[in-house]
Amino acid sequence: GENVEQHPSTLSVQEGDSAVIKCTYSDSASNYFPWYKQELGKRPQLIIDIRSNVGEKKDQRIAVTLNKTAKHFSLHITETQPEDSAVYFCAASPYGNNRLAFGKGNQVVVIP
Amino acid sequence: DADVTQTPRNRITKTGKRIMLECSQTKGHDRMYWYRQDPGLGLRLIYYSFDVKDINKGEISDGYSVSRQAQAKFSLSLESAIPNQTALYFCATSHLTPEQYFGPGTRLTVT
Repeated sequence: GENVEQHPSTLSVQEGDSAVIKCTYSDSASNYFPWYKQELGKRPQLIIDIRSNVGEKKDQRIAVTLNKTAKHFSLHITETQPEDSAVYFCAASPYGNNRLAFGKGNQVVVIP
Repeated sequence: DADVTQTPRNRITKTGKRIMLECSQTKGHDRMYWYRQDPGLGLRLIYYSFDVKDINKGEISDGYSVSRQAQAKFSLSLESAIPNQTALYFCATSHLTPEQYFGPGTRLTVT
């Protein structure tokens, strides 16, 4: 089955700086890659996703890039704010299969 | 997201007890999932259902069972709870596409 790994496990950044979280996946059949944000005590919420026919997608201060050859994708957060502090999960889903394989999560801490 | 609800939100139970966690959704989605979250381990799939007559095991189904009573309801049961089943449990839904939407979670403690 699909195996998703996230690095680093914890990331601290100064407010206003950029944060980058990288995930690798194992199944070349995966074609859907979402990112979820989970604030303390809350449910995971989908913040951005990308499909394998696209290399990059942006939504305001967040972006996701995909490298299918290397089987990795990254979440980029620019101009970080304290409210960006959360755990971020990446996931991957093989084509035709709505199951998601999640990474273990990254704790992002934005220091004011 | 009030479209996906879970009951109870918190539960403390004793070892050996049977417990049921319930999930309901008003999103009209056909696919429902149960996940378990433990610190440092991410979200692990317990069971999933693509329609009322379809039930599938996930990666950690041992010790759990499920029932899909209707398109909108998906219940998770622990037949005989044990302490290492203490965790945060999430229900999620999806429909036709892979985007999944999570309920608020149930915090279960087994003593």
